[in-house]
Amino acid sequence: DTAVSQTPKYLVTQMGNDKSIKCEQNLGHDTMYWYKQDSKKFLKIMFSYNNKELIINETVPNRFSPKSPDKAHLNLHINSLELGDSAVYFCASSEGSDRGGYYGYTFGSGTRLTVV
Amino acid sequence: GNSVTQMEGPVTLSEEAFLTINCTYTATGYPSLFWYVQYPGEGLQLLLKATKADDKGSNKGFEATYRKETTSFHLEKGSVQVSDSAVYFCALGGSEKLVFGKGTKLTVNP
Repeated sequence: DTAVSQTPKYLVTQMGNDKSIKCEQNLGHDTMYWYKQDSKKFLKIMFSYNNKELIINETVPNRFSPKSPDKAHLNLHINSLELGDSAVYFCASSEGSDRGGYYGYTFGSGTRLTVV
Repeated sequence: GNSVTQMEGPVTLSEEAFLTINCTYTATGYPSLFWYVQYPGEGLQLLLKATKADDKGSNKGFEATYRKETTSFHLEKGSVQVSDSAVYFCALGGSEKLVFGKGTKLTVNP
């Protein structure tokens, strides 16, 4: 059983297109996250949802919009894709009802987005 | 705010060499400390953790001790293998979101 699963694993698309990445967790965790990892492996948090409520919204272009239909799912929609959006996007989840990191996060295997 | 500083890589070792990757932190309160590992083409996996001072986390031959007096959580392994080649991330988790170091790439040669 995959704990945090993301689809698709690879996504190649042209500039200007709109795309979505889906994430699901079966751990019963309350909080889910989206991270962006650049080519130097630096991890940057983008968004966090706790039980369908947005609790972290870092400085991210408003072309990026998260959606959480329920606490087990957090999707990321990206409008008008740009070359600089090329990166690996990771979904993660954690226990706890707040944004705390005491318990650590469980990560998905990532979506490699390439914008051409 | 909370922050993590880990040694810059890349680190290249021969098989069976001793590994140390340094990690120091700045935090308020009593955070948890973690090491995550990312193998090529994969996501981050929790390698080990420690939740209070003097705790030692260990897994797969790796160890790290939560040192409050030196605000450190250095990762060590006595004898690395080629299969340990990966990027290692130190992370700190407290009342705020999990904070990651910049990652250290380890390459182990046969």
